[in-house]
Amino acid sequence: AQKVTQAQTEISVVEKEDVTLDCVYETRDTTYYLFWYKQPPSGELVFLIRRNSFDEQNEISGRYSWNFQKSTSSFNFTITASQVVDSAVYFCALSEYTGRRALTFGSGTRLQVQP
Amino acid sequence: EPEVTQTPSHQVTQMGQEVILRCVPISNHLYFYWYRQILGQKVEFLVSFYNNEISEKSEIFDDQFSVERPDGSNFTLKIRSTKLEDSAMYFCASIGSPGLTPNFGPGTRLTVL
Repeated sequence: AQKVTQAQTEISVVEKEDVTLDCVYETRDTTYYLFWYKQPPSGELVFLIRRNSFDEQNEISGRYSWNFQKSTSSFNFTITASQVVDSAVYFCALSEYTGRRALTFGSGTRLQVQP
Repeated sequence: EPEVTQTPSHQVTQMGQEVILRCVPISNHLYFYWYRQILGQKVEFLVSFYNNEISEKSEIFDDQFSVERPDGSNFTLKIRSTKLEDSAMYFCASIGSPGLTPNFGPGTRLTVL
């Protein structure tokens, strides 16, 4: 069965620090998709990135970067030079191509960025 | 850019009452989903719907729940005889085809008193 683990429940950093949020997943599918979502205090789910299992290229978008490593079943998310506006809960999620197509979410990591 | 909409944004009900949560998915999408998030916890899959029938459901989605697409635009989640533990944020999502990024609605916060 599919599973997503976010071992860090809460992280607190000071503004301008870099921070990495860990995500480890389990799946039997050879084709699957990985996602990161941000949930600010207002409650909506904000899409950040989607990655296919056959594309292991790392991605950078502004201050955000993602490190996908199939060998360790990890899809980690780094925020460089964190800002107070980055404070939120971040969820990693997985969907399978032939198995469960709905998203399976991790338990989330609450990031607090202090000024 | 088209968005998934959900109504109401907040619903308060008494225990034992029935509630209907409404969603309008993106118009050309074919796959629809409901998820639930109990306060402070992770987002959990409830049910997926395709071609006018349930395609998958989780163990949470028991006989208390039902889904319907009553017309060409709405997608509803009915919760019969609500319980205190049904208090949660309910998210609707839709996608055009499997593997694409789901579009999530803003959620309906359900409070059962």
